[in-house]
Amino acid sequence: SYELTQPPSVSVSPGQTARITCSGDALPKQYAYWYQQKPGQAPVLVIYKDSERPSGIPERFSGSSSGTTVTLTISGVQAEDEADYYCQSADSSGSEVFGGGTKLTVL
Amino acid sequence: QITLKESGPTLVKPTQTLTLTCTFSGFSLSTSGVGVGWIRQPPGKALEWLALIYWNDDKRYSPSLKSRLTITKDTSKNQVVLTMTNMDPVDTATYYCAHSTAAAGNDYWGQGTLVTVSS
Repeated sequence: SYELTQPPSVSVSPGQTARITCSGDALPKQYAYWYQQKPGQAPVLVIYKDSERPSGIPERFSGSSSGTTVTLTISGVQAEDEADYYCQSADSSGSEVFGGGTKLTVL
Repeated sequence: QITLKESGPTLVKPTQTLTLTCTFSGFSLSTSGVGVGWIRQPPGKALEWLALIYWNDDKRYSPSLKSRLTITKDTSKNQVVLTMTNMDPVDTATYYCAHSTAAAGNDYWGQGTLVTVSS
């Protein structure tokens, strides 16, 4: 079955830039979406269609795509950004899949 | 304002069938391009996508769980129902439903409901 691969953890100091990657063979043909999840809460969409930002999401969140890898970038990380982040995309049949998640720690 | 809420049993026994209902407001599942999906998350683990139903009754299932899942909609009641057969303790998880479009992904989520599988 189709898989998306994320690093288990990323650590950055406040004010630095965090980059979280997601790799998958179908990513050149399928859009990627990113979700932020804080403990005890439902996920929140932070990036859609590779690089679009929903209304209400801070400008420090951005997304990019290159080949089989998509990247979520958080510029000027704040303590409130500490959370789990999940990428999501679809396979050729339209079935969706989530990555394994990345825990962002703000040092 | 789009809202979704999951409902169903909090405890099921192994081998039983789980039936979850997603009741939503603020959109219609008869609108072109709109779908409602189900996602689950075992305690302390990652999100796992389960199923999706579109406005035109097109359905998608997780390949690994397809044989156990059925998703249906009742447009008049603004509800989507997910059934999962032959429940096992490994199916213990928080189950979420979400508003889904190709344009914006899973952009609105319910609060989730914890289902425990235990005898």
